[in-house]
Amino acid sequence: KAGVTQTPRYLIKTRGQQVTLSCSPISGHRSVSWYQQTPGQGLQFLFEYFSETQRNKGNFPGRFSGRQFSNSRSEMNVSTLELGDSALYLCASSLVGGHGYTFGSGTRLTVV
Amino acid sequence: AQSVSQHNHHVILSEAASLELGCNYSYGGTVNLFWYVQYPGQHLQLLLKYFSGDPLVKGIKGFEAEFIKSKFSFNLRKPSVQWSDTAEYFCAEGGGGADGLTFGKGTHLIIQP
Repeated sequence: KAGVTQTPRYLIKTRGQQVTLSCSPISGHRSVSWYQQTPGQGLQFLFEYFSETQRNKGNFPGRFSGRQFSNSRSEMNVSTLELGDSALYLCASSLVGGHGYTFGSGTRLTVV
Repeated sequence: AQSVSQHNHHVILSEAASLELGCNYSYGGTVNLFWYVQYPGQHLQLLLKYFSGDPLVKGIKGFEAEFIKSKFSFNLRKPSVQWSDTAEYFCAEGGGGADGLTFGKGTHLIIQP
């Protein structure tokens, strides 16, 4: 079966702009979570969605938001981009969450 | 807050050497524990996971991990490493619900041929 698909793979944005990243989970998976990976901070949890509801959110500012659609696809949005938002953003899907996650290849965001 | 500690940030071994990567977690309740591997240029892949039952967990590619509750540890082992095991290894803990995964900082493993 197809894995977790993230688009786009690479993105370059300017400070102050906003960006939307997309994630299509494995078919049948209802939980989608997002992570930010940077060399300094490692992998950090952003938020998790299950059946279109955000169940939990990590310690990130309100500029980071997300949503999940009825087909379980998810988007995350970052507004008013800062240089420090440059990172690899990873999406992971799971049947119900908490029981094993499959990760996508990520979206590499560069803010200039 | 939950935390996961990986003891070694960089490990260099020769082929056929034995491997043990340390991982300690802080959550005192029921935990789900994972080891993920990230090969150069590739996405995170699940090596193995522990939810309950036998504390010795076997994963893919000859890896195994032992859950020791009294030590809050979940160390990863492999009896004989190969050059292809060169990668970044991440230990993670998930509370079994909506909290997502808490990752360690990772261990960069280099296997010299």
